[in-house]
Amino acid sequence: QSVLTQPPSVSGTPGQRVTISCSGSNSNIGTNYVYWYQQLPRTAPKLLIYGDNQRPSGVPDRFSGSKSGTSASLAISGLRSEDEADYYCAAWDDNLSGVVVFGGGTKLTVL
Amino acid sequence: QVQLQESGPGLVKPSQTLSLTCNVSGASISSGAYFWSWIRQHPGKGLEWIGYINHRGGTYYNPSLKSRVSISVDTSKNLFSLKLTSVTAADTAVYYCARGARDGTYYVPVDYWGQGTLVTVSS
Repeated sequence: QSVLTQPPSVSGTPGQRVTISCSGSNSNIGTNYVYWYQQLPRTAPKLLIYGDNQRPSGVPDRFSGSKSGTSASLAISGLRSEDEADYYCAAWDDNLSGVVVFGGGTKLTVL
Repeated sequence: QVQLQESGPGLVKPSQTLSLTCNVSGASISSGAYFWSWIRQHPGKGLEWIGYINHRGGTYYNPSLKSRVSISVDTSKNLFSLKLTSVTAADTAVYYCARGARDGTYYVPVDYWGQGTLVTVSS
């Protein structure tokens, strides 16, 4: 059981906009920044969003993050086949003495 | 270019100690701007934070694993290591070493990942 809650799967067609939610609590998302990671099949995860809504260099602006209270969302617009991957949210948790908690991951399928 | 590379046995017997090393290139493990982590992923499952070590040698472990985990650093070789004792089949997973970064107000949990190494616990 993950500390952060994500839907197991979402899907969309090319060009569409999809969102992935991530729900937490005051000790993690409510107090600390949210980070998003993309894991393509059989590869290590890659940082997609940091600080709730900042994109590292090289990440397309099709990817955006937002946060409200104890929930966060990742939006992907102009969906492409290469976006098919697992997506994980993460945050530091003040109740767990400097530990990072992850969501259970969301499998994005591009139909 | 920052690179992290895990190494260690791919097969460990139950009750024994899992030991992995992460060789770091392109970044100094002694830098106060970074911290060094281990994360694992059970087959077909999500990510689990094991713990991390900072440049001062301070360590922070997942409470669920704390009694069995040890992370250490060898600054002379620019590498860090993981030891997990008394392993069982439930410790079978892909183990990633990773770099976290302090960037202004952000403490990015991971900005660079190793490729991961599968460790199977079996007799």
